[in-house]
Order: sequence, then C-alpha cells, then structure tokens
Amino acid sequence: SAVISQKPSRDICQRGTSLTIQCQVDSQVTMMFWYRQQPGQSLTLIATANQGSEATYESGFVIDKFPISRPNLTFSTLTVSNMSPEDSSIYLCSVLNWAGSYEQYFGPGTRLTVT
Amino acid sequence: GNSVTQMEGPVTLSEEAFLTINCTYTATGYPSLFWYVQYPGEGLQLLLKATKADDKGSNKGFEATYRKETTSFHLEKGSVQVSDSAVYFCALSPPDNLFFGTGTRLTVIP
Repeated sequence: SAVISQKPSRDICQRGTSLTIQCQVDSQVTMMFWYRQQPGQSLTLIATANQGSEATYESGFVIDKFPISRPNLTFSTLTVSNMSPEDSSIYLCSVLNWAGSYEQYFGPGTRLTVT
Repeated sequence: GNSVTQMEGPVTLSEEAFLTINCTYTATGYPSLFWYVQYPGEGLQLLLKATKADDKGSNKGFEATYRKETTSFHLEKGSVQVSDSAVYFCALSPPDNLFFGTGTRLTVIP
C-alpha cells in the first residue's frame, strides 16, 4: 500500500484568496489524482496529475481555477484559486498502485472552508 | 459509460444486526470493484475489492461478491458494531480511475 500525507489538514480562507495543498507519497507512483468531496456528497475527480506535463482536467474543472503541479513521482500540489464559498470542500489526493491488481489509495484530505 | 448506483442512506441499525448495502454498476469491459469506508473525520480507506466475476472480497467481517450476471457488488456484514459507523462508498475501476457511488451513511446504535 501507499502512505499519503497532505498539508494542510484544514484551513479557513477568505474569498478571493488562493490556497495550495500539498500531497506527499512514501513511494514512487505513476498516477496521482485530485478529488473534491463537497459536504454530504460523493467524490468528484478534479484532474489527473501527470509528471512532467500538464494535468488532465475533468469536465467542469479548469487549469486557471485549479492549477496542479507534479514535479516528481512522489509529490503534487493543487491550488484552489480566487476562492469563493462554493469551493468549501474536502480536497483529497489519491494514487494508483499496482499490487497484483490496481488499487487506489487516498490521503487524509484537506478540509477547506471559504468565508 | 461507467457508473455506480448505490443504496441511498442513511442506514441505522442496532448492534449485532445484519447489514446489506446494495451496489450495482454499469461498465464497459471488465472493471475491478471496490468498497471504501470513510470514518468520521478521516479520509477514505480501501475496505475490500474484487477483480473478476465471482470473486469475493472480504475484510474486517465485511464481504462482497462480484456478480457479473446481475452487475452487483453488495456489501454485507453478519453482525455490525458501533465502530462500523461510517460512510461506505462503492466504486469501480476500468482500471485507471475510480467511479464512485454516492455513499451510504451507516449508523450503528448500541
């Protein structure tokens, strides 16, 4: 399995500001993802973080709002830009690992509240 | 396309009751199926998985069988405990990403 840490674990931010969330994995992984979990809802994939190239965004998410970096195989960042209260969510980093079959693991999440 | 339909909650059970949370899916190809659990204030944890038809995944007393003929992956536990109170997510993987169900909140009362 992969051990994933995220920083910060939670934050309260003012609208119009930006927050960068860090994700660190204890081993090299090929695929890393960023998800959003809005209050009381399921997970929605924001983007796949690609090492050495631009992230691949899902429908409804754009790079200007959620810029992503992936400088190496163990680290990624997600920035939530120009925040509004609608961005209040839990943001989760996830990695895909091969252990005889594919398994996907999740970080503990970053709980963001925008006031 | 790929999608997961999960039994809506919340579900409230007494301790030692039998649990079933229904999950059905639509998928192209032959996906792997998963159940994830999210305990209060924590991130998602992989609970169990099955990678092909008729496989049974099991962990911590929970079981789910990959039923291709009914496209289902129902989660069961024979005797729930208060510590099982959490949100349970069914998911499928085609295999390079996960599609999640909406989650079912389980509350177990003593």
